[in-house]
Amino acid sequence: AQKITQTQPGMFVQEKEAVTLDCTYDTSDPSYGLFWYKQPSSGEMIFLIYQGSYDQQNATEGRYSLNFQKARKSANLVISASQLGDSAMYFCAMTEAGTYKYIFGTGTRLKVLA
Amino acid sequence: SQTIHQWPATLVQPVGSPLSLECTVEGTSNPNLYWYRQAAGRGLQLLFYSVGIGQISSEVPQNLSASRPQDRQFILSSKKLLLSDSGFYLCAWRPRAFSSYEQYFGPGTRLTVT
Repeated sequence: AQKITQTQPGMFVQEKEAVTLDCTYDTSDPSYGLFWYKQPSSGEMIFLIYQGSYDQQNATEGRYSLNFQKARKSANLVISASQLGDSAMYFCAMTEAGTYKYIFGTGTRLKVLA
Repeated sequence: SQTIHQWPATLVQPVGSPLSLECTVEGTSNPNLYWYRQAAGRGLQLLFYSVGIGQISSEVPQNLSASRPQDRQFILSSKKLLLSDSGFYLCAWRPRAFSSYEQYFGPGTRLTVT
């Protein structure tokens, strides 16, 4: 069965520094997708980045990159040059190919300090 | 471009009252549609998903139900609300094609059952 684990309930980072948010997953399907979403205090879920299980290179989107280590089943989010606006909840999620379902981790609350 | 609407934005309902939350998607056809619930400070729990009109899959047994009367309309209902139904309800859509895994969320409805 699919499982997503985020072990960091809260993280602090100084403005302009980089931060890594951890995510590990479990699946028996060789074809799957991994996602990161940002949820500000307003509640909206903002899609950040996607990594496919067959993608050879780590996904990047602006200041966001996904450190994909398939053998370790980890998909950590790296935010470079943190900004105050990055303060939010961050959720890791996955879906398996051939299904329409998604599962989400419990989230990590990131606080960027000025 | 595609947009997703949810209403109402906030709702306060007494225990035992009925519920109807509506979600509509614009700018796409044949989307997969989803209802999630997020309890305060928690992750997202998939409640229902739909791959077509009248096709509903339930993930969690509860006193909630979902319907899809039109291609781009998804409704979440209850005949009698419980205190435990309080939470943040998010609707999401995803393109039907398996080549696209990205899921997009609506602004959410914050439900308080008193």
